[in-house]
Amino acid sequence: NAGVTQTPKFQVLKTGQSMTLQCAQDMNHNSMYWYRQDPGMGLRLIYYSASEGTTDKGEVPNGYNVSRLNKREFSLRLESAAPSQTSVYFCASSNWGSGNEQFFGPGTRLTVL
Amino acid sequence: GDSVTQMEGPVTLSEEAFLTINCTYTATGYPSLFWYVQYPGEGLQLLLKATKADDKGSNKGFEATYRKETTSFHLEKGSVQVSDSAVYFCALSPRNSGGYQKVTFGTGTKLQVIP
Repeated sequence: NAGVTQTPKFQVLKTGQSMTLQCAQDMNHNSMYWYRQDPGMGLRLIYYSASEGTTDKGEVPNGYNVSRLNKREFSLRLESAAPSQTSVYFCASSNWGSGNEQFFGPGTRLTVL
Repeated sequence: GDSVTQMEGPVTLSEEAFLTINCTYTATGYPSLFWYVQYPGEGLQLLLKATKADDKGSNKGFEATYRKETTSFHLEKGSVQVSDSAVYFCALSPRNSGGYQKVTFGTGTKLQVIP
């Protein structure tokens, strides 16, 4: 099992450019998540998908859109990148239930100039 | 709302020293509590968890006990190694998450172990 995979690993964008971050999991998990990690801020939830076919806003959704393409895949799109979106982005997945762990991908380091 | 507070880092220790990273939480009811670890350049991975009061989670020599009376879940290890150098995140997930797992993370504590 590959677990949670993310592409790309690194990306540099200019202000106003768009891009899509891809995420896939092979653990048959119901729920998937997108987080951003910034120094001193911990992890903040951008969007989540509780199950295939549903998506909901998290703590910091502005400037982002998501698509739950199928049970395996959950993408994050930046329509018009801004320097404030410079961050490390993590995708995660889990089964339902408060005691279940989240499994994280290796992250995408994004710089917006 | 729910929150997690953990000690500021970085924490620098010599190899074989005793480690404590403090974590306290605010939540209604009895949440599940977690410690995740992030090694340089990697995503987070679960280190240990506890799902009810007085439970002790343990893994790789690390331990943490769910203390409801003090709303704490402090991480301890008796003898740290250089390979334990990483960022440690305390987290909680409430019982009434519904069909998905809502997790609140602390800001992370960086541990550096020197030989």
